[in-house]
Parts: sequence; structure tokens; C-alpha cells
Amino acid sequence: GQNIDQPTEMTATEGAIVQINCTYQTSGFNGLFWYQQHAGEAPTFLSYNVLDGLEEKGRFSSFLSRSKGYSYLLLKELQMKDSASYLCAVRAAGNKLTFGGGTRVLVKP
Amino acid sequence: GAVVSQHPSRVICKSGTSVKIECRSLDFQATTMFWYRQFPKQSLMLMATSNEGSKATYEQGVEKDKFLINHASLTLSTLTVTSAHPEDSSFYICSARIGQAQETQYFGPGTRLLVL
Repeated sequence: GQNIDQPTEMTATEGAIVQINCTYQTSGFNGLFWYQQHAGEAPTFLSYNVLDGLEEKGRFSSFLSRSKGYSYLLLKELQMKDSASYLCAVRAAGNKLTFGGGTRVLVKP
Repeated sequence: GAVVSQHPSRVICKSGTSVKIECRSLDFQATTMFWYRQFPKQSLMLMATSNEGSKATYEQGVEKDKFLINHASLTLSTLTVTSAHPEDSSFYICSARIGQAQETQYFGPGTRLLVL
């Protein structure tokens, strides 16, 4: 079976940095995705990692360690609009995405 | 990125009626479409995977006779919730993928279903 864990909620201050961790145990691995989801809206794609290491895209970076079953999403220079849920998802056997429970990030002024 | 649309965005129906939700890929052909359900403050749960022209593959615990999926063309998949009950009230989101490329899975805006 699949098991994907991430913290339920995090709070950070505008302008700061927040790191959202995700650990996973899956049968097969074909990549790890991070999505942002605002309340009542569909998820939007943020990043994709399939090899170990850090992928940087502007203010967002994502890291993967396949041997440790671990990833994190790093959000820098936080803005109020970054308040949202961040979903870690793993593509495993069968090429299906399995989502973690999501981490609600609240950015305070 | 590619655009996926859903219709309707919101629907309220009476218990026992059927509701059809459409998912369209607007500017690409989607070989595979996925249907997810999301309850409040929970994550997305995959309901079924549909490939154009073939029967959908349902996840364990999802009733195929209750959630009818049709993927008649490369740009359209429909989910019909038959004999809806209040416990079916949820946010239904479709996703479409181009070919087998790993990154290209795009989500629709979702349909909020409320069954009274």
C-alpha cells in the first residue's frame, strides 16, 4: 500500500521561509509532485522530482531523497497569497498519483 | 499549461436523483483522465482512471454502478453520480494527462456537489 505523511498545518510570517516535509512509503516510484490548492479550487502544479536533489523554481524549491523516502517543499519570501494547502503526491505503480493529506500554510503579516 | 474545464462548477440536487459532471481538455487530447473526490479538509482520493474508448478502472471501495464514467473521446470524460445521497456531497475534481509523460497531468477547477 501507499503511505504519504506531511504535517497538517504550519504558520509563518510574511517574508519568511517555510519548509514542508513529506515522507512516503510506496510500492514503486515514478516521481513526486507538489501541488498548491487554495480553498475551493483545484490543485495547481508546483514541482516534480524524480531524481535525488533540489529543483528550484523562483521562490519555490523542492528536494527529493529516494533512499530516505523523503521530500520537502521550500517556500521563500513568503507572501500573503501563499496561504493555501500544499499537497505532496507520489506517482507509484500503475502511474497513479496518490496524495498526502495536505499541509495548510497560514501566512501572517 | 494545458487547460481542463469542468461543468457544472456547482450543483445542488435532491436525494435519489442523478448528476452528470463533464470534464473537458480544451487544448490537448487526453489519453487518460482521472476522477478524484475531496471531502472538506481532506486530501484528494482517486476514484477511477479512464482511458479513451475503454472501461474505467475503479479504485477499491468505489462503486462502479454508482459512479458511472464515460470517456467517449480524447477531450471529454463524464462522471455520473447515480441515485445521489447526502453522503455523496463532495468536491469532485477531474484530471487529464497527455500521453505517458510524467509531468503533464492537469486538474480541472472542480465541481461542488451538494445532495439535499
